[in-house]
Amino acid sequence: DVKVTQSSRYLVKRTGEKVFLECVQDMDHENMFWYRQDPGLGLRLIYFSYDVKMKEKGDIPEGYSVSREKKERFSLILESASTNQTSMYLCASRRGPNEKLFFGSGTQLSVL
Amino acid sequence: QKEVEQNSGPLSVPEGAIASLNCTYSDRGSQSFFWYRQYSGKSPELIMSIYSNGDKEDGRFTAQLNKASQYVSLLIRDSQPSDSATYLCAVKVTGGGNKLTFGTGTQLKVEL
Repeated sequence: DVKVTQSSRYLVKRTGEKVFLECVQDMDHENMFWYRQDPGLGLRLIYFSYDVKMKEKGDIPEGYSVSREKKERFSLILESASTNQTSMYLCASRRGPNEKLFFGSGTQLSVL
Repeated sequence: QKEVEQNSGPLSVPEGAIASLNCTYSDRGSQSFFWYRQYSGKSPELIMSIYSNGDKEDGRFTAQLNKASQYVSLLIRDSQPSDSATYLCAVKVTGGGNKLTFGTGTQLKVEL
């Protein structure tokens, strides 16, 4: 079975800190995604990547950047964390455009 | 207008009844439609996908697509308490690199 692993389940950071959220998938998937999920707003796409070293902005990229140096790993970076970035962050991957999305277990980030 | 709209609920149905979950989308050129189930505190998991007009059945689940009306629905027959979850509608929009846009989800409660 496909496994998408996010490095932390819960994370607490301070305003202004640089934050790294790591995601690793073990099924050689081409596509990887970062979403955030907030009550009443649903899942919103931050960034996605179709291949190594490729990245595309999603719907809410402001305040975030990403890195994909290896196919299996997709990192989300908060350059200077702010309180409005407190959220559940979900990583996902899939083999191709019409394939099933597999989600990681999520990272609940609190920025104080 | 949101790209993908769902009634947030909660939708309450008695055990054994049919639950009907609805989703509308704004991009007339959308090609692919998905239903994800998300239990509280867990990640979304795919339960149905549908690509052409009509009905698609899988066990107790039926997805219905009407592209002319820009409407997709999920029927759950013989609802069980274990079906209590939030159901997310996702649409692959045209352009934008095959990204998936999610609705905010409908909370379903199946009562004994």
